[in-house]
Amino acid sequence: DTAVSQTPKYLVTQMGNDKSIKCEQNLGHDTMYWYKQDSKKFLKIMFSYNNKELIINETVPNRFSPKSPDKAHLNLHINSLELGDSAVYFCASSNFVGESPLHFGNGTRLTVT
Amino acid sequence: QKEVEQDPGPLSVPEGAIVSLNCTYSNSAFQYFMWYRQYSRKGPELLMYTYSSGNKEDGRFTAQVDKSSKYISLFIRDSQPSDSATYLCAMSGGSSNTGKLIFGQGTTLQVKP
Repeated sequence: DTAVSQTPKYLVTQMGNDKSIKCEQNLGHDTMYWYKQDSKKFLKIMFSYNNKELIINETVPNRFSPKSPDKAHLNLHINSLELGDSAVYFCASSNFVGESPLHFGNGTRLTVT
Repeated sequence: QKEVEQDPGPLSVPEGAIVSLNCTYSNSAFQYFMWYRQYSRKGPELLMYTYSSGNKEDGRFTAQVDKSSKYISLFIRDSQPSDSATYLCAMSGGSSNTGKLIFGQGTTLQVKP
């Protein structure tokens, strides 16, 4: 059983399109996150939700919109995709907000052409 | 200056060597320190998790935190080819701890048989 699962694993699309990435965790965690990893492997937080409530919203273009239908799911919708959005997007979860470590999914590799 | 600095390497060692990986940071509010291992095309997996200063050992891995110097280390004893991966340090904390992890850039390690 995969603890944090993301779909799709790979996503290739053209500029201007809208796409979604889905994430589910079966760990019973309260908090979920989206991180972006660039080509130099630098990981940076985008959003976090705690029990469906937005906790962290970093300086991310408003073309990116997270949605959490319940505490086990956190989806990421991206409008009007740009070349610079190409990256690996990781979903993660933690037991609660604060000191608990994160558990990551295996990432969604997004390529915008 | 980045909040967390980590030498990206690559670092190449022979099998059986002792490996030392390091990060420095600037934010004295950090209290939680983690090391993640990331294999190619996979998500980061938690290796070590420590709170405040001190040492923590788990099998071949030892994590050290020196808050006075704002310096953390990960030591790998008897390194194996299966340890070849990217190692990411991460930290969080502060009065408004939202669970946001700040990552180093990652050090790529290759252990040669």
